[in-house]
Amino acid sequence: KQEVTQIPAALSVPEGENLVLNCSFTDSAIYNLQWFRQDPGKGLTSLLLIQSSQREQTSGRLNASLDKSSGRSTLYIAASQPGDSATYLCAPGPLMGGNKLVFGAGTILRVKS
Amino acid sequence: DTGVSQDPRHKITKRGQNVTFRCDPISEHNRLYWYRQTLGQGPEFLTYFQNEAQLEKSRLLSDRFSAERPKGSFSTLEIQRTEQGDSAMYLCASSLHANTEAFFGQGTRLTVV
Repeated sequence: KQEVTQIPAALSVPEGENLVLNCSFTDSAIYNLQWFRQDPGKGLTSLLLIQSSQREQTSGRLNASLDKSSGRSTLYIAASQPGDSATYLCAPGPLMGGNKLVFGAGTILRVKS
Repeated sequence: DTGVSQDPRHKITKRGQNVTFRCDPISEHNRLYWYRQTLGQGPEFLTYFQNEAQLEKSRLLSDRFSAERPKGSFSTLEIQRTEQGDSAMYLCASSLHANTEAFFGQGTRLTVV
């Protein structure tokens, strides 16, 4: 059974800092991994999708890496802004069983202006 | 197409009442998923459809829960005889195929009083 852990659980940083969010998962039989953002009381917004054959994926100030064999992914946010404040969730997609995602509890990020 | 749409956004109901939620996926997506999210936790998988076929149901989905996707388009999630423990955010997602990027709706926040 896939288990996902995200560290840290919460993070508060001043505007402009570069930061790293960590995601670890127990079952490396994954097809891909998605990172999502969730604002309070809202749904999830997809940020990045990394295929299992990829090592990195970039979108703007976001860069996600994947080390499938060690069961780790990181989300790097460059030059953080107050608008980045949200909960960040990672979800590995299983090799079998469709796109049934398993989520961690997320990292709550606060960027102070 | 504006993405995955869920209705209603909020629902307050008395314990013991039945409620029904609707999800309209992105039009060409044949996979549709329901998740439940409680405060401070990541979403948990409930069930998913490929076109109109319900392919998997989580053990979280008790006999009081039923989901349908007639004609492979929109989906409904019904909860009968609601209990206070059903209070949560119910999220719908869709993807084009298995193992492709999942897109989420804004969710339906259910409060059982």
